[in-house]
Amino acid sequence: QQQVKQSPQSLIVQKGGIPIINCAYENTAFDYFPWYQQFPGKGPALLIAIRPDVSEKKEGRFTISFNKSAKQFSLHIMDSQPGDSATYFCAASLSHFGNEKLTFGTGTRLTIIP
Amino acid sequence: GAVVSQHPSRVICKSGTSVKIECRSLDFQATTMFWYRQFPKQSLMLMATSNEGSKATYEQGVEKDKFLINHASLTLSTLTVTSAHPEDSSFYICSASPWGRSTDTQYFGPGTRLTVL
Repeated sequence: QQQVKQSPQSLIVQKGGIPIINCAYENTAFDYFPWYQQFPGKGPALLIAIRPDVSEKKEGRFTISFNKSAKQFSLHIMDSQPGDSATYFCAASLSHFGNEKLTFGTGTRLTIIP
Repeated sequence: GAVVSQHPSRVICKSGTSVKIECRSLDFQATTMFWYRQFPKQSLMLMATSNEGSKATYEQGVEKDKFLINHASLTLSTLTVTSAHPEDSSFYICSASPWGRSTDTQYFGPGTRLTVL
């Protein structure tokens, strides 16, 4: 019940396209859903996060869509650029407090081709 | 702000030796730090939660005696891999939760690449 399933495993999109990465969870007690970006050999960096009381959140070119009834959430990257090529992880936590542990999805390797 | 550092960034050691990895929060105090392990092309797996001044809480399947965690101050947590073996080779990442900023998420360090020969 603690799992977070993420798809696709890898994704190739042309520059300017809108890659979409999907995640699904089972534990309805999860209350915080962040997305992280990781470049090779580096630690993850927080991109954007959402809580279940909101259906959509935008920050710059990144948008999270959240469907509470379906227990699914997704990341959209608008006007994608080659510099967005990285591995993206969704995660879930029982609270938005930073001292709560995160459960990570399996990751999506995104490649943006010029 | 909210910078987390790790030292060393890379370490190569012989099988059977012990290796210590440091995780520091540079511009904030962290009552809670987390240690993750990441194998190539895989996700982050939480190893343990470290709280300042108390014993770490280990995830199921993580050997407490092999992965020693010490959180001696509000800015420093250490992970010691004892009697390391080649299967311990991995990317170890820490994260820290800022004390007193209850709405913040965790901030991740840059990771430490451990290679055991």
